[in-house]
Amino acid sequence: SQTIHQWPATLVQPVGSPLSLECTVEGTSNPNLYWYRQAAGRGLQLLFYSVGIGQISSEVPQNLSASRPQDRQFILSSKKLLLSDSGFYLCASSWGANTEAFFGQGTRLTVV
Amino acid sequence: DQQVKQNSPSLSVQEGRISILNCDYTNSMFDYFLWYKKYPAEGPTFLISISSIKDKNEDGRFTVFLNKSAKHLSLHIVPSQPGDSAVYFCAAHNQGGKLIFGQGTELSVKP
Repeated sequence: SQTIHQWPATLVQPVGSPLSLECTVEGTSNPNLYWYRQAAGRGLQLLFYSVGIGQISSEVPQNLSASRPQDRQFILSSKKLLLSDSGFYLCASSWGANTEAFFGQGTRLTVV
Repeated sequence: DQQVKQNSPSLSVQEGRISILNCDYTNSMFDYFLWYKKYPAEGPTFLISISSIKDKNEDGRFTVFLNKSAKHLSLHIVPSQPGDSAVYFCAAHNQGGKLIFGQGTELSVKP
């Protein structure tokens, strides 16, 4: 199986500050990578996914961006955080289209 | 546009009985479906999946049924146990790599 490393576990950031969340994957090569957000009491919203280095698909127009500088590294960024960016951010990895995805433990982001 | 829908936000079942969780999807390009279990402040864990070429997949107490014509899938848990209490998400994959989740159903199994 794959191991997904996400950090930090919790983060409190002021409005207008930048953000960088990093996700790295062990146990596979050339995975599909995903960033999701779960707002309080809501479902898992797909933010970005990547099928290869430098290939990023954005699902929701928003204040965030993603990059994949290396095969097993996926980064979620923002230049200026908004209050509405608060939530639980999850990184996931899968071997391909028709396989299960494995998730990291998530980052709880609170924008104050 | 919610492409994967779980219309029941919560479900309460007695221990030992069957739990049935439902999920509908709108995009006919989805060809692989999954169910996940999630606890608060943790990442979801994979339970069971089904390919669009099948209509049933079973793994122990968990069975997933797929009705392609109705664009509907369900997860059956038999018998339900208190440790099954969690939020359950269905998800759908397409060939392009997109993996979309529903809103989740909170299952409570009472002793």
